[in-house]
Amino acid sequence: QQPVQSPQAVILREGEDAVINCSSSKALYSVHWYRQKHGEAPVFLMILLKGGEQKGHEKISASFNEKKQQSSLYLTASQLSYSGTYFCGTRGSGTYKYIFGTGTRLKVLA
Amino acid sequence: NAGVTQTPKFRILKIGQSMTLQCTQDMNHNYMYWYRQDPGMGLKLIYYSVGAGITDKGEVPNGYNVSRSTTEDFPLRLELAAPSQTSVYFCASSYSGTSGRAALLMEQYFGPGTRLTVT
Repeated sequence: QQPVQSPQAVILREGEDAVINCSSSKALYSVHWYRQKHGEAPVFLMILLKGGEQKGHEKISASFNEKKQQSSLYLTASQLSYSGTYFCGTRGSGTYKYIFGTGTRLKVLA
Repeated sequence: NAGVTQTPKFRILKIGQSMTLQCTQDMNHNYMYWYRQDPGMGLKLIYYSVGAGITDKGEVPNGYNVSRSTTEDFPLRLELAAPSQTSVYFCASSYSGTSGRAALLMEQYFGPGTRLTVT
C-alpha cells in the first residue's frame, strides 16, 4: 500500500537535473512532496491536486498523472542545498490519512 | 509562533516501561498526525486526528494510544515499550483550504522529532 518511489537514490553534479517518481496502487486525490535533511524533520515542497492544480513555494516543478496514480518531481539546475531525502505523501479521496512513499536519497556534488 | 513542538527530544526506555510523547501546535490546525521513522526508512503513520475528540488509526497503531482533548495537544502514549518501538517519532499538523469548491488538506508542518530507544 505504501507508494513506491524511484529511483531509490541518485547522485548529481551541481547544475544537473533530476526526476523523482512516486507511484501508488490506489486512487489518489492529492500528492504532497517533502524534503528531509539528515537528522531533521521533513519540510514541505509542493501539493498537487487531482485536476492538475499545484501549490508550492520553491522553484521546483511537479506533475500528477491521475490515470496512472503517479506523480513526478522535477529538480532543475540542482544546487548543493537540494541534497536530502525526498518523500511523496499521498492522500486518497474521502480520507485524511497521508501515506508516505519509500523515499529517494538525492546527493548533489560540487 | 512556535509551530509544532515535541517533548522530550531524546528518551531511553527499558522494555516494559511506558511513556507519553507530547506534541503541541499553536497554529490552530485541526489535523494532527503521529509518524514513526525507523533508521534509513520512510515515515509510517501511527495515528491521526481531524479535530478535538476525534482520532483514528494509521498504518502502524499497535502498541500506541492517542487522545485529543484540545485543538493544540495530541499526545502519543506508548504502553509496555518493546525494542521494535525504537525509532524517531514525528508529530505534524495541517489545516484545510479550498480549491474551487473542493476541500483541500494543506501542507503538514512537522515538529523536530523525538528520538526513542528501547533497550
